[in-house]
Amino acid sequence: DAKTTQPTSMDCAEGRAANLPCNHSTISGNEYVYWYRQIHSQGPQYIIHGLKNNETNEMASLIITEDRKSSTLILPHATLRDTAVYYCIVRRGNQFYFGTGTSLTVIP
Amino acid sequence: DARVTQTPRHKVTEMGQEVTMRCQPILGHNTVFWYRQTMMQGLELLAYFRNRAPLDDSGMPKDRFSAEMPDATLATLKIQPSEPRDSAVYFCASGLPQGLAGTKETQYFGPGTRLLVL
Repeated sequence: DAKTTQPTSMDCAEGRAANLPCNHSTISGNEYVYWYRQIHSQGPQYIIHGLKNNETNEMASLIITEDRKSSTLILPHATLRDTAVYYCIVRRGNQFYFGTGTSLTVIP
Repeated sequence: DARVTQTPRHKVTEMGQEVTMRCQPILGHNTVFWYRQTMMQGLELLAYFRNRAPLDDSGMPKDRFSAEMPDATLATLKIQPSEPRDSAVYFCASGLPQGLAGTKETQYFGPGTRLLVL
């Protein structure tokens, strides 16, 4: 019973914005949306998280729809080093529900 | 440059043997997570500690797995007895929770322990 669904893979041209979608249609009011990424053969890396407001940090922006049933992670200017698997996660308290991730390939 | 350290980095063992994985969180971090990653299941949260107390370990098979924090500088994950299906990469992460002043939650991952049970 997946809490999140993501496309399996995506391509993005270097220098362009990468928009990674995530559906979490069964999310509850007290559950957060988190994004992590994992570059091949390395440990995961926290990117950003939010509850209902859009969030931005030095790495990315997180856009959450008003009904909270989906969100989009935006990497504003993708570089080759952003090639990784991106995980969208729903968190309720101490429970983290991971999706299977989107493999993003940034193309030169 | 503070980092989460994990030992051993690689472990090969035979079915039935005890396996102990260690994690040293970043100094000052009071939350520690244990994750497991496999090709089939992806990334799974096994256990979560705050201030050395286990907050949630519902993702961990209780019959053979145990997680502890004997002190603030060491977290351990043990498997006894190990089975081939335990073969995976085990990640430890440490961080700080979201602060009352609005400071953002942080979480930093270690390099992982790659476990192979034959």
